[in-house]
Amino acid sequence: GQNIDQPTEMTATEGAIVQINCTYQTSGFNGLFWYQQHAGEAPTFLSYNVLDGLEEKGRFSSFLSRSKGYSYLLLKELQMKDSASYLCAVGVRGATNKLIFGTGTLLAVQP
Amino acid sequence: DAGVIQSPRHEVTEMGQEVTLRCKPISGHNSLFWYRQTMMRGLELLIYFNNNVPIDDSGMPEDRFSAKMPNASFSTLKIQPSEPRDSAVYFCASRVAGALSGANVLTFGAGSRLTVL
Repeated sequence: GQNIDQPTEMTATEGAIVQINCTYQTSGFNGLFWYQQHAGEAPTFLSYNVLDGLEEKGRFSSFLSRSKGYSYLLLKELQMKDSASYLCAVGVRGATNKLIFGTGTLLAVQP
Repeated sequence: DAGVIQSPRHEVTEMGQEVTLRCKPISGHNSLFWYRQTMMRGLELLIYFNNNVPIDDSGMPEDRFSAKMPNASFSTLKIQPSEPRDSAVYFCASRVAGALSGANVLTFGAGSRLTVL
C-alpha cells in the first residue's frame, strides 16, 4: 500500500518563504507530484520530480530524496493568492500507473 | 480545449435516491479517473479507465457505487442508493495512458459537489 504524510495547516507572511514537507512510503515509485488547490476549485499541477534533487519553476521549487521517501515544496516571495491547499501525490507504477494523493496542507498567507 | 467537463456542479438529494455524475475527458486523453474528496480523507482514487476499460476499481467503497465509460468522451459515476456519508466532492481527471511524467499529468475537472440529506 501507500502512505503519504504532510502537515495539515501552515501559516506564513506575505513576501516570505515557506517549505511544505511530504514523506511517503510506497512500492513501485514513479514520481512525486505537487498540486495546488484553491478553495472550491480543482487541483492544478505544479511540479514533478522523479530523480533526486531540486526542480525550480519560478517562485516554486520542489525537492526529492528517494532514499528518504521525502519531498518538499518551496514557495518564495509569497503572495496572498498563494493561500491554498498543496497536495503531495505519489505516482505508483504497475498495471495501473496511478496517482495517490496525501490529504493536503492548507497554507494561509497573511499580510 | 475546454478541459475536463463535469456535471452537475452541485447536487443535493435525499438519502436513498440515485445519483449520476457525468464526465467528459479532454479530447485525446485515453485514461480517465474518478476521485472523491472529503476533509477527513482527502482525495481518494475510486476507479480508473484506460481506453474505456475499467482497470482498477479497488477504491470503489461498496456495491452502491458503479462507474461506466461507454465511449472515449463520456463516463458516469452512479451511486444507488445514496447515503449521507457519500457527501463529498467528486472529481473526474484525465491524461494520456502510459507512464506518469511531468509532461503527462492528471488534469482535473471542476468537480461535482454532492450533498445527501
